[in-house]
Amino acid sequence: EAQVTQNPRYLITVTGKKLTVTCSQNMNHEYMSWYRQDPGLGLRQIYYSMNVEVTDKGDVPEGYKVSRKEKRNFPLILESPSPNQTSLYFCASSLPGSYEQYFGPGTRLTVT
Amino acid sequence: AQKVTQAQTEISVVEKEDVTLDCVYETRDTTYYLFWYKQPPSGELVFLIRRNSFDEQNEISGRYSWNFQKSTSSFNFTITASQVVDSAVYFCALKDYGGSQGNLIFGKGTKLSVKP
Repeated sequence: EAQVTQNPRYLITVTGKKLTVTCSQNMNHEYMSWYRQDPGLGLRQIYYSMNVEVTDKGDVPEGYKVSRKEKRNFPLILESPSPNQTSLYFCASSLPGSYEQYFGPGTRLTVT
Repeated sequence: AQKVTQAQTEISVVEKEDVTLDCVYETRDTTYYLFWYKQPPSGELVFLIRRNSFDEQNEISGRYSWNFQKSTSSFNFTITASQVVDSAVYFCALKDYGGSQGNLIFGKGTKLSVKP
């Protein structure tokens, strides 16, 4: 089954404790992206990757890191999480260009 | 700058009513793509439709229809004979080719509640 998977689905952590949210897709898509969803703000892009070893900042990259060492994986790293990073995070992938993005199930992160 | 505006924050209707969700976009590009996504209470994001800027034909898929008008920069979504299962947050999104080729710009969403 073609899908985007994210782990963990739920995470509660404390300020400053490094964490990684994994994202994997099995559709051989070149393009992958991370978004955060906050009430009243919709979805905002954090980082994206056009292909392996190619990443770039989206609209809200501060406090996040990403890497793209393999085509299928695009982990999101929070080196020192803060409470304002409490949010619902979505990973997405697509073919390059105009194609629609396929989203993972979401990761709900709470930073206390 | 690119922008998507969904002016309706929340809409409540009774089952079988028709409902239209508005979407207005801004972009300087002549080539761009518009999307609608559905987010049901379970939280996942479900792709509904993609439309490119050169195709202004309206589209119908079952009870769903979309009206794209470049003259007013609008891409509205109508649900005919709404059902309780249509209750969700609906997002309109824009992707263009000015600057970042990857960025999908979302509106803030419209929460639709369909009551039995």
